[in-house]
Amino acid sequence: KQEVTQIPAALSVPEGENLVLNCSFTDSAIYNLQWFRQDPGKGLTSLLLIQSSQREQTSGRLNASLDKSSGRSTLYIAASQPGDSATYLCAAKLMDSNYQLIWGAGTKLIIKP
Amino acid sequence: DAGVIQSPRHEVTEMGQEVTLRCKPISGHNSLFWYRQTMMRGLELLIYFNNNVPIDDSGMPEDRFSAKMPNASFSTLKIQPSEPRDSAVYFCASSPSTSGRASTDTQYFGPGTRLTVL
Repeated sequence: KQEVTQIPAALSVPEGENLVLNCSFTDSAIYNLQWFRQDPGKGLTSLLLIQSSQREQTSGRLNASLDKSSGRSTLYIAASQPGDSATYLCAAKLMDSNYQLIWGAGTKLIIKP
Repeated sequence: DAGVIQSPRHEVTEMGQEVTLRCKPISGHNSLFWYRQTMMRGLELLIYFNNNVPIDDSGMPEDRFSAKMPNASFSTLKIQPSEPRDSAVYFCASSPSTSGRASTDTQYFGPGTRLTVL
């Protein structure tokens, strides 16, 4: 059974720091892995999607990597800003399903001004 | 596009009452998902529709929960009777992909309905 884990559950850093959020999964048979952002009282917004054949995706100050062999994905945020404060969730799409996402519990990120 | 629209945004009801949550997916999207999010269990898929047909309802907690999608632009999730343990945030999400395997496939979430059952 696929399990997705995000550690730590919460992270607080000063503004301007570069930081890495971690996501691990137990079964490497994934179709893709996505990173989402959730702001308080709002829905989830997709940030980056990495196909299983890719190793990384970049969008602005965000870079997501995928290492299937080790069952890990990381979300790198450069030059963090207070506006980056949110909960970040990763989700793995199973190879044997065309819709099922397995979700991590999320990392709550606070960027201190 | 206005994105996925959900109503109401907040619902407070008493145990035993019927609750109906509504969702309008993004126009042209073929897939629709209902999720429930709680602190204890995180994000759980309740039901998945494809082209208005329920494909997977294995996540629906019990017979008190039912969902319908009468057309491509509207879906409802109903709880009858409601119980305090149903208190959660319920999200609707839609996806443009029929097969779910398109390279740009992702899910677009609505703002959620925060349900409190007293």
